[in-house]
Amino acid sequence: QQQVKQSPQSLIVQKGGISIINCAYENTAFDYFPWYQQFPGKGPALLIAIRPDVSEKKEGRFTISFNKSAKQFSLHIMDSQPGDSATYFCAATWAGGTSYGKLTFGQGTILTVHP
Amino acid sequence: EAGVTQSPTHLIKTRGQQATLRCSPISGHTSVYWYQQALGLGLQFLLWYDEGEERNRGNFPPRFSGRQFPNYSSELNVNALELEDSALYLCASCAGQGQETQYFGPGTRLLVL
Repeated sequence: QQQVKQSPQSLIVQKGGISIINCAYENTAFDYFPWYQQFPGKGPALLIAIRPDVSEKKEGRFTISFNKSAKQFSLHIMDSQPGDSATYFCAATWAGGTSYGKLTFGQGTILTVHP
Repeated sequence: EAGVTQSPTHLIKTRGQQATLRCSPISGHTSVYWYQQALGLGLQFLLWYDEGEERNRGNFPPRFSGRQFPNYSSELNVNALELEDSALYLCASCAGQGQETQYFGPGTRLLVL
């Protein structure tokens, strides 16, 4: 019940296209959902995060869509650029129980944007 | 503002040895988290320290341990190293209990031969 399932495992998009990565969770207590971007040899960097009381959040070319009833959330990257090529992780957490303080991560999506 | 720093960047050990990894959080952050990123297994939560105390622990054996110092820096110790401990060990910090945004360091790549 603590899992976060992420898909697809890998994604290839042409420059200027839209990249969409999906995540699903089981634990309805989760109340904070961040997305991280990781380049090879680097640590994950926070991209954008959302709480369940909001259905959508946009920051620049990055948008999170959140569907509380379906227990799903997704990352959309508009106008994808070769510099966006990286591994993306969704995560979830809540301030209680055995999850307190820890992020539960999806398995990651390797995004490749072709020029 | 300096980010989370970790040392060493790379560490090579043999089976049965001990490894010590170090982390300095962002200035003003009191919470430190440790994660293991093994190939193909994503990021797995290891330990959380706040104000010098261990607050939560992931599903790892007791040979994974750590501590947090008065200046909020932290070290992770892995005893009796096994081949499957080879991974990238990531440290993250945040401003304190109840704060969810975690900022990651570059990691320490541990290779066990």
